[in-house]
Amino acid sequence: DTGVSQDPRHKITKRGQNVTFRCDPISEHNRLYWYRQTLGQGPEFLTYFQNEAQLEKSRLLSDRFSAERPKGSFSTLEIQRTEQGDSAMYLCASSRRDQSTGELFFGEGSRLTVL
Amino acid sequence: AQSVAQPEDQVNVAEGNPLTVKCTYSVSGNPYLFWYVQYPNRGLQFLLKYITGDNLVKGSYGFEAEFNKSQTSFHLKKPSALVSDSALYFCAVRDKVDSSYKLIFGSGTRLLVRP
Repeated sequence: DTGVSQDPRHKITKRGQNVTFRCDPISEHNRLYWYRQTLGQGPEFLTYFQNEAQLEKSRLLSDRFSAERPKGSFSTLEIQRTEQGDSAMYLCASSRRDQSTGELFFGEGSRLTVL
Repeated sequence: AQSVAQPEDQVNVAEGNPLTVKCTYSVSGNPYLFWYVQYPNRGLQFLLKYITGDNLVKGSYGFEAEFNKSQTSFHLKKPSALVSDSALYFCAVRDKVDSSYKLIFGSGTRLLVRP
């Protein structure tokens, strides 16, 4: 079991730049979730995919954010024209579609710092 | 709408003493409830969950939680705390009728176990 992996683990960027994070879920998991966690807060839901379909987006996901899962395997989260308020830990999680009672399995996160 | 409240930002306890971390929830339907733990610069690790049945559920590392439907609570407990239990703890809820299976998290409680 390789677990959920995220890359990069840390990203420092200047305001206005674009950044992209990648998430590789557990191989048999067809559901994939993105969360954002700021200091002192709990994770906040951003969006989720079932296979390659993006089925729900939070209103936290502004137009500058876009997520994809083109082949139903790995996913990317891109933030365009970053702002200082985007500084946070971005967490990816996965689960199996047939496990409605199952927990989500989280990666270790990608920490973004916008200067 | 689903929500979770963790009323304590921090809980302090001496090693060997029992600990309780409080959680209350709100869902429109029936809840699935979860506890996760987060160590510094790490992702979330699943501890335990309540789906149905016995109101007292046991999980990893000697933790347990008690589901109380009338009080809409799901408090995390451990009979004897260890210094290594010091971490950030998150309660989360899923509404059974939410087909996304996403979790809604509380703001977290920092547990500090002193030697």
